[in-house]
Amino acid sequence: DAKTTQPTSMDCAEGRAANLPCNHSTISGNEYVYWYRQIHSQGPQYIIHGLKNNETNEMASLIITEDRKSSTLILPHATLRDTAVYYCIVRVASPPVYNQGGKLIFGQGTELSVKP
Amino acid sequence: ETGVTQSPTHLIKTRGQQVTLRCSSQSGHNTVSWYQQALGQGPQFIFQYYREEENGRGNFPPRFSGLQFPNYSSELNVNALELDDSALYLCASSLRLGGTDTQYFGPGTRLTVL
Repeated sequence: DAKTTQPTSMDCAEGRAANLPCNHSTISGNEYVYWYRQIHSQGPQYIIHGLKNNETNEMASLIITEDRKSSTLILPHATLRDTAVYYCIVRVASPPVYNQGGKLIFGQGTELSVKP
Repeated sequence: ETGVTQSPTHLIKTRGQQVTLRCSSQSGHNTVSWYQQALGQGPQFIFQYYREEENGRGNFPPRFSGLQFPNYSSELNVNALELDDSALYLCASSLRLGGTDTQYFGPGTRLTVL
């Protein structure tokens, strides 16, 4: 079972920031938070990941609370092309070689609709 | 640097047949993971190959099998196809050096079983 909880759906106006929350209250100290998104019928696209510090890249920012029990993915200026299902995944940082290979466990994700 | 590619894009088979799906890893990656995504669901982990050996398996029966080749490309084979095997099959490649490895996904193969 997925170790994260996300809202089923969210709307965002084009040009505004999209803030996608994720709860991971049972996260362990050696687990990263990963975000992927999936545009209809395409393969999931990696967005960003972090351990405990806030992270930023060219796609998004990831804000992780100090207790690491929740996080927020921020798309600073959402466009229509950001409409997708966003998955928040908790994953062990250093998967042992012979232990499920650090598999990604996907939940239902958040369906983000960016509207004109 | 080339991304992850998969072939074929779409495939139609009948129940009881066998199918082989192919995946070419991103350049420099040594690990391939396969996922099955049923309509309306998130992807589910099938198995992973690291240095040509299976390295972890999800809750899938033995009729799902795979191979990884010396060039790190991979195949997913499914025998005795069932209607419920209809899904999008995704492969993801990553570079394992120690520490966390990020998986990058291909576009998927849409399998329809009639």
